[in-house]
Amino acid sequence: AQKITQTQPGMFVQEKEAVTLDCTYDTSDQSYGLFWYKQPSSGEMIFLIYQGSYDEQNATEGRYSLNFQKARKSANLVISASQLGDSAMYFCAMREGSRLTFGEGTQLTVNP
Amino acid sequence: NAGVTQTPKFQVLKTGQSMTLQCAQDMNHEYMSWYRQDPGMGLRLIHYSVGAGITDQGEVPNGYNVSRSTTEDFPLRLLSAAPSQTSVYFCASSYSSLGTGLSNEKLFFGSGTQLSVL
Repeated sequence: AQKITQTQPGMFVQEKEAVTLDCTYDTSDQSYGLFWYKQPSSGEMIFLIYQGSYDEQNATEGRYSLNFQKARKSANLVISASQLGDSAMYFCAMREGSRLTFGEGTQLTVNP
Repeated sequence: NAGVTQTPKFQVLKTGQSMTLQCAQDMNHEYMSWYRQDPGMGLRLIHYSVGAGITDQGEVPNGYNVSRSTTEDFPLRLLSAAPSQTSVYFCASSYSSLGTGLSNEKLFFGSGTQLSVL
């Protein structure tokens, strides 16, 4: 079974609008961490946001927020006020113990 | 502050050749790891280390060896390169490897190595 599932291979959003990128995960651990990374066309991996399994509040980092629904095992990334520079591949990842597992990614395109 | 440094950035090998991808971090991170990224498959864990002298296999370890003789360095060795190992390789490190769900487990990535095996 997939540990991390990103069901949207590609997403399009209009500049200045908000967009939600979906991520569901599968784990039986009580302690785990959820991450979102951005990979622009240049290839580097850029950390965006983190949510710990015991965090009661949804994480926020500037225009990024993580909609954490523990019972549903989902950790969706919300990007507000999209910018052209947000066009990139976005990866959801989960850390259980010493292993970090990535989803297959969502390619986001921001249209002017 | 260099962070995670990977060398080389690009490499072309012939089938059967061996080589070592270098990874060094200057953040005194306990945890280091290697991933490969293939089109449409996200990043897959090859090997990881939770401290000097300790390594373990990830999801796709076959064909790769690692060692961790110091905290700073975590080289990845391809003993006999195969075309199936053509990929982009990323090294990543984090302060903690405990898996407690704390934010100090955030991974810092190197800039990647594009490897082609002909």
